[in-house]
Amino acid sequence: IAGITQAPTSQILAAGRRMTLRCTQDMRHNAMYWYRQDLGLGLRLIHYSNTAGTTGKGEVPDGYSVSRANTDDFPLTLASAVPSQTSVYFCASSEEGLAETGELFFGEGSRLTVL
Amino acid sequence: GQNIDQPTEMTATEGAIVQINCTYQTSGFNGLFWYQQHAGEAPTFLSYNVLDGLEEKGRFSSFLSRSKGYSYLLLKELQMKDSASYLCAVTDSNYQLIWGAGTKLIIKP
Repeated sequence: IAGITQAPTSQILAAGRRMTLRCTQDMRHNAMYWYRQDLGLGLRLIHYSNTAGTTGKGEVPDGYSVSRANTDDFPLTLASAVPSQTSVYFCASSEEGLAETGELFFGEGSRLTVL
Repeated sequence: GQNIDQPTEMTATEGAIVQINCTYQTSGFNGLFWYQQHAGEAPTFLSYNVLDGLEEKGRFSSFLSRSKGYSYLLLKELQMKDSASYLCAVTDSNYQLIWGAGTKLIIKP
């Protein structure tokens, strides 16, 4: 079944550790995004990529990095995790990038707890 | 600043109709989305409005008034499976998606 796969689905992490959340899509979408979702707040964009080889900063990029080596994969790395990064992380993709207004397709989310 | 407002929680009865409102204040406007998110799951696309008026899709309809910065999602013939959070999101002049915090809809038998 086509879609977006995220891994891990859940993780508990000690503060200061490095963590990479994986995201893979098989829809050949150009654009990919990482959001975090916290209780009482709207989804907040961390980083995005309009096409393979390019990335951009979203609303809350500090403490996170991304890479887009190919169309399918868009990993999110926390270099040194802090408790405020405890959240549910969603990877998403769309056929077109931020300059268009396409529908977003979301992965199932990665629940991260930083202690 | 940019802001999307929607009620935190609403309750409705199975078989009834419910209207979920969304007001927005953004720097420019390039479209408004509604997404559905069941607890513990990913958001899924429901509707997209860029012009004023009503878009109907089965039991769900979405309305937009750009002059008033206002949209609503109308759900008819409510079913228990409609219990979910409904997220309103607006694309601003920089084509950034601004998300509301979501409205949790509780359906009672």
